[in-house]
Amino acid sequence: AQKVTQAQTEISVVEKEDVTLDCVYETRDTTYYLFWYKQPPSGELVFLIRRNSFDEQNEISGRYSWNFQKSTSSFNFTITASQVVDSAVYFCALDYNNNDMRFGAGTRLTVKP
Amino acid sequence: KAGVTQTPRYLIKTRGQQVTLSCSPISGHRSVSWYQQTPGQGLQFLFEYFSETQRNKGNFPGRFSGRQFSNSRSEMNVSTLELGDSALYLCASSLAGTSGGYEQYFGPGTRLTVT
Repeated sequence: AQKVTQAQTEISVVEKEDVTLDCVYETRDTTYYLFWYKQPPSGELVFLIRRNSFDEQNEISGRYSWNFQKSTSSFNFTITASQVVDSAVYFCALDYNNNDMRFGAGTRLTVKP
Repeated sequence: KAGVTQTPRYLIKTRGQQVTLSCSPISGHRSVSWYQQTPGQGLQFLFEYFSETQRNKGNFPGRFSGRQFSNSRSEMNVSTLELGDSALYLCASSLAGTSGGYEQYFGPGTRLTVT
C-alpha cells in the first residue's frame, strides 16, 4: 500500500521552542518523491520542500530542516525557534510515480506567544 | 507570475444538482490536479490532467469528472450532488506532474456546500 502517516494530529508549543513534525511513508516503488506543504489559516497550501528517493541528504532552509531516512521510511520536518507565524497545518505527501499524490492527515501546529 | 486561480470561491448547491468548478494554472504549467479536502477524509486526490489527457484518477465515483483545455485550464464537474460532496476543492498546477518531481502550486480552493 502507498500511504503517508502523520501520527501527530495536533502540536502546541510556545514561541522559540523547537518542534519536529513526523512523517512515515509506505511505498513499494524504488523511485518516488516526498513533499511537505504548509496550509496556513488562509487555506492555500504552500510548497515547502521536495525530496526524491535517491537523495537522503538532509536539508536546511533558515529555521526549517528536513531529515529523510529511507531505512525508517521517514521524512521528518523540524522548525527551530518556532514563531507564531508558523502556526498552520503541515502536510507530508508522497508521489509514487503516477502523478497521484497521497497526503498524510496533516499536523496542526499552534505556536503560542 | 500570477498564481493558480479558481472560480468560483464559494458555491451553495442543492442535492441532485450538478456543479462545474474552474481552475486556471500558472502560465506554462501543463499539469493540473484536483483534490477534495474534508475534515473527515483529509486531502484526497481526484484526478490529474496533462496536455488535455487524464493521466490518473483517484477513488471517486463516476459523478466526478474533469477535463483540460488546450490552454491548460481545467474544469471539474460533479453531477447529482450529494450532501457528502460538501468540501473544499483544490486545484494544483505543476510544470509536468509530481511524478517528475515537480512541486505543485495550489489555488485558494472552491468551498462547495451542498444542502
